Amino acid sequence: KNQVEQSPQSLIILEGKNCTLQCNYTVSPFSNLRWYKQDTGRGPVSLTIMTFSENTKSNGRYTATLDADTKQSSLHITASQLSDSASYICVVLRMDSSYKLIFGSGTRLLVRP
Amino acid sequence: GAVVSQHPSWVICKSGTSVKIECRSLDFQATTMFWYRQFPKQSLMLMATSNEGSKATYEQGVEKDKFLINHASLTLSTLTVTSAHPEDSSFYICSARKGLAGALETQYFGPGTRLLVL
Repeated sequence: KNQVEQSPQSLIILEGKNCTLQCNYTVSPFSNLRWYKQDTGRGPVSLTIMTFSENTKSNGRYTATLDADTKQSSLHITASQLSDSASYICVVLRMDSSYKLIFGSGTRLLVRP
Repeated sequence: GAVVSQHPSWVICKSGTSVKIECRSLDFQATTMFWYRQFPKQSLMLMATSNEGSKATYEQGVEKDKFLINHASLTLSTLTVTSAHPEDSSFYICSARKGLAGALETQYFGPGTRLLVL
């Protein structure tokens, strides 16, 4: 079944600390995996996009990893800031005729001062 | 980067009325646009996919007569919620695909429209 599962559901960290969010997927056939940041009441904004041949990709303080063999991905946030408080959504593009995005349920991150 | 706008950003309407939401790709032509619905603390759920100049493809369980989608141009798609009811209250997000479908395609999301039906 084509699913994307994320953990933890929610996370609270102190400003300046690092954190890692997890994503497991069973989507097939796989095209690429994306991480989005969604602020409350806003649309998702792309952080990274990785194809199966890419193991890691960075975007500022955000670093995503992908293990296509185990079908796992992670998003590491370094030196967190208050503005990092948001939902982080793992999304997999299924490469069939429809090219649909399969969304995870997201991890809600709260960064406290 | 590519920008997708939505209008209005929020709307309150009475039960039984119809509401139209516009989605525009501001600096690129979008052959395909997507409409999503998001309930509180849940992820986005695809409602329908619309290609310019053709009928929209609706996901299972989405009433096409209730959620009318028009994609008349390469930069504009509209979603009309007809005879809205309180259970239609939600956050509606559109997305526009830049370029052809494929491994390197990118979807850009609008800021969303909050609909509250009283």
